[in-house]
Amino acid sequence: ELKVEQNPLFLSMQEGKNYTIYCNYSTTSDRLYWYRQDPGKSLESLFVLLSNGAVKQEGRLMASLDTKARLSTLHITAAVHDLSATYFCAVGGYGGSQGNLIFGKGTKLSVKP
Amino acid sequence: GAGVSQSPSNKVTEKGKDVELRCDPISGHTALYWYRQSLGQGLEFLIYFQGNSAPDKSGLPSDRFSAERTGGSVSTLTIQRTQQEDSAVYLCASSLQGRETQYFGPGTRLLVL
Repeated sequence: ELKVEQNPLFLSMQEGKNYTIYCNYSTTSDRLYWYRQDPGKSLESLFVLLSNGAVKQEGRLMASLDTKARLSTLHITAAVHDLSATYFCAVGGYGGSQGNLIFGKGTKLSVKP
Repeated sequence: GAGVSQSPSNKVTEKGKDVELRCDPISGHTALYWYRQSLGQGLEFLIYFQGNSAPDKSGLPSDRFSAERTGGSVSTLTIQRTQQEDSAVYLCASSLQGRETQYFGPGTRLLVL
């Protein structure tokens, strides 16, 4: 059974600081996604990572994937208040017709001035 | 439409009643997914439709839950004899094909009294 663990679950940061969110998963997967959710809103796709060593960057966010360690990281550089949201990683089933995603519990990020 | 749409946005019902939730996927997307999000359980996969293939119902929590997708487009999730533990946000997503980035709708907030 595929399990996805994120840590930390809660993160309070000061503006301008750097931090990393970790996402571990339990079995082989060929797809890993990061989503953002603002309060009362739906999920917004941030990154999709498909291969070992993949790195994607958008603004102050950078995501990477290590399939051998079954680990993905979401690194936040020089945080700003607008990044306050809940971030989810999600892993897709490996092979076959498995289309669904298994989500981590989410990391609630609060960036304070 | 430009994105995934869902209706109603909010639904309050009494325990024991049946409810129907609707999802309109992004035009041209062949894959459609239902998830639910609750405080206690996080984001859980419910069901996945891919083209004309038999749906993957492995995430449905009980036989009170069913879903159909008519004409390869609109989907309806039906919950029969609702229980209080069914209270959650029900999210629909679609992707161009299975196993690709999923785009989420705004969700239906269901409250069972």
